[in-house]
Amino acid sequence: GNSVTQMEGPVTLSEEAFLTINCTYTATGYPSLFWYVQYPGEGLQLLLKATKADDKGSNKGFEATYRKETTSFHLEKGSVQVSDSAVYFCASISGGYNKLIFGAGTRLAVHP
Amino acid sequence: DAGITQSPRHKVTETGTPVTLRCHQTENHRYMYWYRQDPGHGLRLIHYSYGVKDTDKGEVSDGYSVSRSKTEDFLLTLESATSSQTSVYFCAMKAEGGHQYFGPGTRLTVT
Repeated sequence: GNSVTQMEGPVTLSEEAFLTINCTYTATGYPSLFWYVQYPGEGLQLLLKATKADDKGSNKGFEATYRKETTSFHLEKGSVQVSDSAVYFCASISGGYNKLIFGAGTRLAVHP
Repeated sequence: DAGITQSPRHKVTETGTPVTLRCHQTENHRYMYWYRQDPGHGLRLIHYSYGVKDTDKGEVSDGYSVSRSKTEDFLLTLESATSSQTSVYFCAMKAEGGHQYFGPGTRLTVT
């Protein structure tokens, strides 16, 4: 079946640093891919998505490109802020009924 | 905000007692899901529903059952809670565009 692997955290950065969180997937075909963000004490929120190969999803300064050659969907942001501190989850559609499979999550801490 | 709520938000219960968690949505979406979140595992699918009275098992369904008698409500039941079921439980519904909207979560502690 499908699987999603993302880099382990925590990731600790200074404000305005460049962020990359790696995510790779295994799948039959080319499923839609997602990044979700979870702020402390809250549920998951969709951050961005890409529905086919070579698509770039973007939102709030974050970007991720669906790369079928490397089966990757790495999350990037050019200049992080303290308010970006959260847990980030990579996810893929897996099977029918729009089921999702998630990576283990990466905790990001941004310091002033 | 998408209309999806969960109740209770926090619960402490004893081993061996039954527990029911409720998910309620106001969007009339057909597909709904229950996940549990544990450190190092991300979110794992427990059960899902694709319509009233239509449910199926997910990755970690042992010890859990679900019911969906109305479109808006999706109930998760632990028939006899165990300490391994201490977790944060999230309900979600499918949104237009293929992603899922998540509820705020229920933190369950089994002592």
